[in-house]
Amino acid sequence: LAKTTQPISMDSYEGQEVNITCSHNNIATNDYITWYQQFPSQGPRFIIQGYKTKVTNEVASLFIPADRKSSTLSLPRVSLSDTAVYYCLVGDGGWGGYNKLIFGAGTRLAVHP
Amino acid sequence: SAVISQKPSRDICQRGTSLTIQCQVDSQVTMMFWYRQQPGQSLTLIATANQGSEATYESGFVIDKFPISRPNLTFSTLTVSNMSPEDSSIYLCSVGETGSGEAFFGQGTRLTVV
Repeated sequence: LAKTTQPISMDSYEGQEVNITCSHNNIATNDYITWYQQFPSQGPRFIIQGYKTKVTNEVASLFIPADRKSSTLSLPRVSLSDTAVYYCLVGDGGWGGYNKLIFGAGTRLAVHP
Repeated sequence: SAVISQKPSRDICQRGTSLTIQCQVDSQVTMMFWYRQQPGQSLTLIATANQGSEATYESGFVIDKFPISRPNLTFSTLTVSNMSPEDSSIYLCSVGETGSGEAFFGQGTRLTVV
């Protein structure tokens, strides 16, 4: 399983766009990139998953360059309720099946008024 | 999607005792996973619970300390045995959805050992 590196913490203000970048230099051909969000006292929640280029859903966008050695989670116009820990995971958990998830340290995002 | 119910949601236990945590899923799943999350830390995978076979433990976790049962495709239990204060943590159950790559987590069991 590829190791991931992401900033320990980030600060932002309401209404701003937040971009969290994750490095995964050893990503394998079969690996997908998945982001989870965790609020205090709750289990992680799936945000978005991608393999290459750009993926967008109602919550976020995920940008993956051609070499796939990094990815960027983009949260548009954050609000106070987006304050959470965001985890970037890489593994063979995509459409071919599901394997165990290994969590890194995550990025603690604090959104200020 | 899958809905996961964990019981108990929290407990305070005496050292030396054991606690069994239950995880119930509203659909049949092949694999279930147990995680531990210590205060302010990330999640650490304890083991993968397979139906019909013994659980597969990650490095640093052993069956004697964390026995797991998986009697059917919708249910699993994790027991924290002979507890010490170092076992105080949140324990989470998770399942995966084949075909989507999305994992679902229970709300967790907050364990305090005194």
